[in-house]
Amino acid sequence: GESVGLHLPTLSVQEGDNSIINCAYSNSASDYFIWYKQESGKGPQFIIDIRSNMDKRQGQRVTVLLNKTVKHLSLQIAATQPGDSAVYFCAELEDNMLTFGGGTRLMVKP
Amino acid sequence: DTAVSQTPKYLVTQMGNDKSIKCEQNLGHDTMYWYKQDSKKFLKIMFSYNNKELIINETVPNRFSPKSPDKAHLNLHINSLELGDSAVYFCASSQVQGDQPQHFGDGTRLSIL
Repeated sequence: GESVGLHLPTLSVQEGDNSIINCAYSNSASDYFIWYKQESGKGPQFIIDIRSNMDKRQGQRVTVLLNKTVKHLSLQIAATQPGDSAVYFCAELEDNMLTFGGGTRLMVKP
Repeated sequence: DTAVSQTPKYLVTQMGNDKSIKCEQNLGHDTMYWYKQDSKKFLKIMFSYNNKELIINETVPNRFSPKSPDKAHLNLHINSLELGDSAVYFCASSQVQGDQPQHFGDGTRLSIL
């Protein structure tokens, strides 16, 4: 399934499926982007980052895709697990400061 | 463990009081930050600070002031607390300011009565 962070704040997926969380950013001059995961009662936890000279970067079970043409960022989580349930934030670097998107809640159904 | 730690985790106080939140990082980072997260989970930068420069988000009231006794600490002082200050406040740090991941503490939930 897909979710646009600001318009569909909750994404529900079946355990084992792949998840795609989307984010639209605002500043075409931004050259650094990060995805964070925030679990209940915890601070945001770094997942993966990408610079604007790349369009794809892979980590362990996660992939970030960057489309600069349409100012779109996505986070793909492979084989989603119950422990992936959290709120996910994208952030872009503007004027040397991180500006966070509104967040998408990912719920994983067993 | 290496981490960003902040105290207290919960802070309940009366309107009009002055309070402080402490933050320490043992990651050897040069830059520290304070963020405010509202009830809708929206995260907004308040300050960034390294030993050379304090950058203040212009929307932050001057009742809020960061104090850094040394590179590993950035405390947040809040004067004359208002109801709208109720939120979760996060401290973070990064190696340098800019295109580096920031590491966050677990937050301080501030509730104003």
